[in-house]
Amino acid sequence: DVKVTQSSRYLVKRTGEKVFLECVQDMDHENMFWYRQDPGLGLRLIYFSYDVKMKEKGDIPEGYSVSREKKERFSLILESASTNQTSMYLCAHQRGNTEAFFGQGTRLTVV
Amino acid sequence: AQSVTQPDIHITVSEGASLELRCNYSYGATPYLFWYVQSPGQGLQLLLKYFSGDTLVQGIKGFEAEFKRSQSSFNLRKPSVHWSDAAEYFCAVGVVGSQGNLIFGKGTKLSVKP
Repeated sequence: DVKVTQSSRYLVKRTGEKVFLECVQDMDHENMFWYRQDPGLGLRLIYFSYDVKMKEKGDIPEGYSVSREKKERFSLILESASTNQTSMYLCAHQRGNTEAFFGQGTRLTVV
Repeated sequence: AQSVTQPDIHITVSEGASLELRCNYSYGATPYLFWYVQSPGQGLQLLLKYFSGDTLVQGIKGFEAEFKRSQSSFNLRKPSVHWSDAAEYFCAVGVVGSQGNLIFGKGTKLSVKP
């Protein structure tokens, strides 16, 4: 089975904290993505990466950064969490432009 | 720019009834097309995909979808809905020749009444 592991299912953080969301895939796929999902807004792309140490901004990168030091791992970083970053975060990976495989999601609450 | 429209935000059907979820895309050529399903609190699971060939594609859980180039549509269908099909459904488009990055519709939430 395809495996995408997100480090936490639920996370509660305080405003101003630095938050790391980790995503690991075991399919040796080049592409990895971070989305956030909010009711009525669908999936919005935050950042993506086509290769190790490469990153591209998506539609809503403000307030986020990413790191991809190894092919299998793609981390999303909230430098200083704010309440408007409370959301469901979904990681995905993909070979080329074929189907994407998603993790279970991390529901982040910033208080 | 490419876009995906799912015109129905929320649909309710009775168990055993047929289902059709609509998806329209905007793209200059034939894209890759996907349907995903998301159960509450879970990630997205691929239901089916279209790359080329037969325009009627079969997926998991008894779902099928038909690609209609003339209508720029890729509607999802199921002949008889089960209560366990209650979930949110997302249509997505992949750009042929690009490096990736699927474009998603905003989703259709399906409720099933007994």
